[in-house]
Amino acid sequence: NAGVMQNPRHLVRRRGQEARLRCSPMKGHSHVYWYRQLPEEGLKFMVYLQKENIIDESGMPKERFSAEFPKEGPSILRIQQVVRGDSAAYFCASSPSGGTSGAASTDTQYFGPGTRLTVL
Amino acid sequence: AQSVTQLGSHVSVSEGALVLLRCNYSSSVPPYLFWYVQYPNQGLQLLLKYTSAATLVKGINGFEAEFKKSETSFHLTKPSAHMSDAAEYFCAVRTNTGFQKLVFGTGTRLLVSP
Repeated sequence: NAGVMQNPRHLVRRRGQEARLRCSPMKGHSHVYWYRQLPEEGLKFMVYLQKENIIDESGMPKERFSAEFPKEGPSILRIQQVVRGDSAAYFCASSPSGGTSGAASTDTQYFGPGTRLTVL
Repeated sequence: AQSVTQLGSHVSVSEGALVLLRCNYSSSVPPYLFWYVQYPNQGLQLLLKYTSAATLVKGINGFEAEFKKSETSFHLTKPSAHMSDAAEYFCAVRTNTGFQKLVFGTGTRLLVSP
């Protein structure tokens, strides 16, 4: 049973370019979460998606960042016009369910190996 | 809002010694609590989780943690450290209602010397 897959594992971009990070959740999981880890810091939540829906994007920067999880294919985190401050490790996690506004799930989030983005 | 504080960015122990990594949480509602381990250049692996069942939780690789509501703590312990335990450890919290957003601490790097 393959785990959460992320690609690429390493991505180098120059300032102003676009970065596209992909995440394939575990089989049977329809909930995806993106987190960012800056150097020497813990992970910070960015966005939570279900298939074709953004459920919670409270951690996403207001500009340049977007995420999607289409009906078919992986989830994509897109960063437009990257800047040096975007350099970080971006982790994707998936779970079978995600809870609702009224009732939580005890499901574990399973993390992928991450994409390490370096902006030159 | 929930938050987690991990005391000590680095903890050093000798092989065979007790491992104690501290985590205190803040939550206005009963929390779910997690410990994850991260090896260099890898993703996070779940060690154990507390979801309001038994307060003493046993995890993988001989780790365990005890939920103490009165102290708002969820410290991670292991009786005898192995060299392979050297890694970064993250404590995380989320509410037991609503969406599954995890709030992580800043991490504790465990160093194990021979």
